[in-house]
Amino acid sequence: GAGVSQTPSNKVTEKGKYVELRCDPISGHTALYWYRQSLGQGPEFLIYFQGTGAADDSGLPNDRFFAVRPEGSVSTLKIQRTERGDSAVYLCASSLTAASFNNEQFFGPGTRLTVL
Amino acid sequence: GENVEQHPSTLSVQEGDSAVIKCTYSDSASNYFPWYKQELGKRPQLIIDIRSNVGEKKDQRIAVTLNKTAKHFSLHITETQPEDSAVYFCAAHSLGVTGGGNKLTFGTGTQLKVEL
Repeated sequence: GAGVSQTPSNKVTEKGKYVELRCDPISGHTALYWYRQSLGQGPEFLIYFQGTGAADDSGLPNDRFFAVRPEGSVSTLKIQRTERGDSAVYLCASSLTAASFNNEQFFGPGTRLTVL
Repeated sequence: GENVEQHPSTLSVQEGDSAVIKCTYSDSASNYFPWYKQELGKRPQLIIDIRSNVGEKKDQRIAVTLNKTAKHFSLHITETQPEDSAVYFCAAHSLGVTGGGNKLTFGTGTQLKVEL
């Protein structure tokens, strides 16, 4: 079946602009995660949704970052007033559940964000 | 919060040799430890995982061991092939700010190069 998909694959924007990044999880997966990966580093947790609600947003770096998942499927990560330091690959992952079983996370291809 | 350390950062082996990558974690409550393989410009792919009630798991040429007392886990790849060349990340499941959740904390990655 189809895996996690993300759009756009690449996004170039100017400092100060607003961007939205979209994630389509695997069908039927109730848990969705956003991570950020800088060059040469491992993915860094941003936020996790169980259904429609953000169960843990402790990884969001500041209030310029916000994410929604209004219908419990597609999620959008929103970044306001972008800064050059926001440049990274933004990865989305989903898992069947968030329980201690069936919690294997499968990643999307990522969105490469470049802030000029 | 959880802290995961990974060694070595780079590893070069001859085709057919074994490769071992080691990780340590800090949170004794962590109970799920996946390993991801990431090729250049691609998404992280789950290759094997282990849960805290198991000490070892094997899948063909790949095995993972877990020592909960020492809080370390290792990836073993036998009979390495050129297509094993990639960056490998270990991760540990950690509890969220509310005591629940399902976020992964990643190591910094190991660049494995299998030479002919």
